[in-house]
Amino acid sequence: AQTVTQSQPEMSVQEAETVTLSCTYDTSESDYYLFWYKQPPSRQMILVIRQEAYKQQNATENRFSVNFQKAAKSFSLKISDSQLGDAAMYFCAYRTTFNNNDMRFGAGTRLTVKP
Amino acid sequence: EPEVTQTPSHQVTQMGQEVILRCVPISNHLYFYWYRQILGQKVEFLVSFYNNEISEKSEIFDDQFSVERPDGSNFTLKIRSTKLEDSAMYFCASSEVQVYGYTFGSGTRLTVV
Repeated sequence: AQTVTQSQPEMSVQEAETVTLSCTYDTSESDYYLFWYKQPPSRQMILVIRQEAYKQQNATENRFSVNFQKAAKSFSLKISDSQLGDAAMYFCAYRTTFNNNDMRFGAGTRLTVKP
Repeated sequence: EPEVTQTPSHQVTQMGQEVILRCVPISNHLYFYWYRQILGQKVEFLVSFYNNEISEKSEIFDDQFSVERPDGSNFTLKIRSTKLEDSAMYFCASSEVQVYGYTFGSGTRLTVV
């Protein structure tokens, strides 16, 4: 069974600084998708960035980028130039390519941004 | 930008009562999902739905749960006899194809008293 582990329950960053959130996962499959979701206090789940496992290039979306290390099964999220609006829970998620179901989420990391 | 719409945003119900949570997925999406998040815990998969039938369900999705797509737009989750431990945030999500992440709705907070 696939599992997703986020080892940092809480992180904090100074506004305008850079922070990296860690995620590791366990799978025996070679092709899959990885995601980072943001959940602000409104509780809505917002897709931040996704990565296809077959792509070697790390995904980037404006101030958000990932460091995808397939061999190490690691998928960290880097937030550059942190803004107050980045404060939220961040969930790492995994989904197999073999069916369209059952996205597995990590336990989340609560990010605080200090002004 | 297209949205997944969930109603109501907050529902309070008495233990043992039936509740129906409603969702309107994005119109051209084909795959629909329900997830739940007990306060302070991780997001958990409940069920997925494709081509008018359940394609996968988790161990959480027992006989008290059911899903339905009664018309071309709505996607509902019914909990027949609610328990205190059903109190959670319930998220509906939809996706067009599997290469994309899901689009989640803003959730329904269910409180069972």
